[in-house]
Amino acid sequence: GESVGLHLPTLSVQEGDNSIINCAYSNSASDYFIWYKQESGKGPQFIIDIRSNMDKRQGQRVTVLLNKTVKHLSLQIAATQPGDSAVYFCAERPVNSGGSNYKLTFGKGTLLTVNP
Amino acid sequence: DADVTQTPRNRITKTGKRIMLECSQTKGHDRMYWYRQDPGLGLRLIYYSFDVKDINKGEISDGYSVSRQAQAKFSLSLESAIPNQTALYFCATSDPSPRGVAGELFFGEGSRLTVL
Repeated sequence: GESVGLHLPTLSVQEGDNSIINCAYSNSASDYFIWYKQESGKGPQFIIDIRSNMDKRQGQRVTVLLNKTVKHLSLQIAATQPGDSAVYFCAERPVNSGGSNYKLTFGKGTLLTVNP
Repeated sequence: DADVTQTPRNRITKTGKRIMLECSQTKGHDRMYWYRQDPGLGLRLIYYSFDVKDINKGEISDGYSVSRQAQAKFSLSLESAIPNQTALYFCATSDPSPRGVAGELFFGEGSRLTVL
């Protein structure tokens, strides 16, 4: 079956550096993608989303890039801070979901550790 | 106070016992969800509810049941707990209205269940 996965399970960066977290997806029918952040002991928190008619979207210190040709999604965090240490999940939703979140498929997550 | 509150936060129980995890929300959202998170796996949907009279099975509903007592309350039950139901459980809500972000789920802080 198709699934959302991640290239790297862990990522360690120095404070102030830029971080790039990657996600590969295999369902070509997905048209909507989301990144979530989960801090230790907390529930996941929405960060940013992107639709398949876009290849880039920027938020506050974060940028999501979508490459539909190779089915790749990435989250870039600028000037990474200790508070960015968390597990980051990508999620996808197929085009036939009718906009319903119950069809979201979550990746396994990447643990980002920011070293002072 | 948290917008999505789960109780208990931690529970240890024995095989065969009935367990209820409760979720209440103050966000005024009609849509509520129960997810399960296991180490190294993404979030998997157990049940979801679009309103008080609407309950739907998710990806992994076997061994679980739910009750939507009110718009603000959605509880998850394990009728006869077994060790492989040991996991971190999350309740979530979403706002399907145009005011909401399409893929944004609002998660509680999780209920860690251990079945011995």
